[in-house]
Amino acid sequence: GAGVSQSPSNKVTEKGKDVELRCDPISGHTALYWYRQSLGQGLEFLIYFQGNSAPDKSGLPSDRFSAERTGGSVSTLTIQRTQQEDSAVYLCASSSQGAWGEAFFGQGTRLTVV
Amino acid sequence: AQTVTQSQPEMSVQEAETVTLSCTYDTSESDYYLFWYKQPPSRQMILVIRQEAYKQQNATENRFSVNFQKAAKSFSLKISDSQLGDAAMYFCAYRPGANSKLTFGKGITLSVRP
Repeated sequence: GAGVSQSPSNKVTEKGKDVELRCDPISGHTALYWYRQSLGQGLEFLIYFQGNSAPDKSGLPSDRFSAERTGGSVSTLTIQRTQQEDSAVYLCASSSQGAWGEAFFGQGTRLTVV
Repeated sequence: AQTVTQSQPEMSVQEAETVTLSCTYDTSESDYYLFWYKQPPSRQMILVIRQEAYKQQNATENRFSVNFQKAAKSFSLKISDSQLGDAAMYFCAYRPGANSKLTFGKGITLSVRP
């Protein structure tokens, strides 16, 4: 595709429910990132995939959060038993391999837990 | 651990004037990559400018330039001839290697006064 695509763009869910957020990276990009951005705040790193290497999961805030990347392309971020503090914008980015691999971002998914 | 610090949460500039946004980082690497990203109200992250640490010459992109001080671990962004469209949140980011995690600072909100 032309850019990084995230779906849904908005998601409202009830506390305790599970949610899945999807990211379609730019074709051919080997790196994929997930970040969380609370209202007016900075980008909190969640997880990083690079090619076939084991993902860097060091930013996942709890075991309720998980992510996978199938076939080196599409990624899904899953939040189980959602809590109100999970409400935020979840941003996905992808980049090509190499030193100047610019990270291209999607528009994000705004998650609201009620 | 690598950290990126943006100590100014907000700044304001008069249209047509020049403003400098500060960023410092902490690293033990000798070569790395630094970026400034812009996030307007649309939420779409856009790369503004980038710098490779071993290149001493400061990067310039039209009205945007950086002041890279490697010894001081400082990477500030200068916006000349500020325009209303420059109003956004600006994030400084660091990557230690070609295929490594991208770490962001907390961001600074820039407003432009007409």
